[in-house]
Amino acid sequence: GAGVSQTPSNKVTEKGKYVELRCDPISGHTALYWYRQSLGQGPEFLIYFQGTGAADDSGLPNDRFFAVRPEGSVSTLKIQRTERGDSAVYLCASSLGAGAETQYFGPGTRLLVL
Amino acid sequence: DAKTTQPPSMDCAEGRAANLPCNHSTISGNEYVYWYRQIHSQGPQYIIHGLKNNETNEMASLIITEDRKSSTLILPHATLRDTAVYYCIVRRNNAGNMLTFGGGTRLMVKP
Repeated sequence: GAGVSQTPSNKVTEKGKYVELRCDPISGHTALYWYRQSLGQGPEFLIYFQGTGAADDSGLPNDRFFAVRPEGSVSTLKIQRTERGDSAVYLCASSLGAGAETQYFGPGTRLLVL
Repeated sequence: DAKTTQPPSMDCAEGRAANLPCNHSTISGNEYVYWYRQIHSQGPQYIIHGLKNNETNEMASLIITEDRKSSTLILPHATLRDTAVYYCIVRRNNAGNMLTFGGGTRLMVKP
């Protein structure tokens, strides 16, 4: 079956611009996670959704970062006033939900802020 | 979640078994050991997980010591396509429990 998909695969933007990154989880998965991976590092947790609600947003670095999942499926990570330090690979993962917690990752979106 | 310690890099000859160690001496009774790998420019790929019994699937085997303070991921016949960073992660299996990635082990499979 289809895995987690993310669009765009690459995004180049200028400092100060607004960007949106999209994640389509595996069909039927109620839990969705966003991670960020800087060059040479392991992924770092940003936010977790259970259904439509953000159950844990403790990993968001500051208030320029925001994510939504209005219908409990597709999620959008939004970054305002981008900075060069935001350049990273943004990864999305989904899992079936309570009880079966293996997370399956998408290919990521490579964001470059010039 | 407990922390894990892995060697930063390892080499393995193609066709031979790759044995990747992981120390997790502070693991709690309700924490699982998960292994993921990340091939260059791809998202992390789930490999296997276990609680206390050894586990095997089509990708690998996971051997967990009796005291659960360490584990070994075994790729029985490594191929060049197994070259990747392998992450050992300890976590509770609750809803919403994020994965905490360390530095991982960079496995290089050589012809």
